[in-house]
Amino acid sequence: DQQVKQNSPSLSVQEGRISILNCDYTNSMFDYFLWYKKYPAEGPTFLISISSIKDKNEDGRFTVFLNKSAKHLSLHIVPSQPGDSAVYFCAASAQAGGGADGLTFGKGTHLIIQP
Amino acid sequence: DTAVSQTPKYLVTQMGNDKSIKCEQNLGHDTMYWYKQDSKKFLKIMFSYNNKELIINETVPNRFSPKSPDKAHLNLHINSLELGDSAVYFCASSRGLGKETQYFGPGTRLLVL
Repeated sequence: DQQVKQNSPSLSVQEGRISILNCDYTNSMFDYFLWYKKYPAEGPTFLISISSIKDKNEDGRFTVFLNKSAKHLSLHIVPSQPGDSAVYFCAASAQAGGGADGLTFGKGTHLIIQP
Repeated sequence: DTAVSQTPKYLVTQMGNDKSIKCEQNLGHDTMYWYKQDSKKFLKIMFSYNNKELIINETVPNRFSPKSPDKAHLNLHINSLELGDSAVYFCASSRGLGKETQYFGPGTRLLVL
């Protein structure tokens, strides 16, 4: 039972254009969402997060949008750069219970930036 | 100056053996975690420790036992290794529980033959 879904296994975007990665969740108790970036043979690296009290959070080229009614979030990267090529994981946690359940991850989307 | 480190990076062993994976964080965090990334690439929580106390224990076999000698270390000991234990194991840490960002180690690639 996947509570966090990333339905696109891969995404190819031209350098300089906008990359949009999508994530859906089913657990309405989730109230904190994160995006991680992962290169091969390395651990996930934190990119950006958003609390459920917000609908947008921006950090440089990265913006995360949250639509709670649709249980959907997206990560926008603009402009896309070759170094952005990696696997991007969406993750969520629930404050209830103190967040002790760790993070629930999606399966990841492999972003490929083409020159 | 690595924030979260794991040893070894690669581990190849025979079925039935006992092995340990070590994790250390120098971030001063109170909570540490172990995740397993299986062949289908799902990252799933196994354990978390907060101030040396086990917080959760997901439905993992009791052959897996986390051990925390102090706040900066959370080791994973695995008894009687099975073929299905082959995976990448990631350690992570966070300042506390709840809305806290988790920082991950580089992973330990375990192959059971």
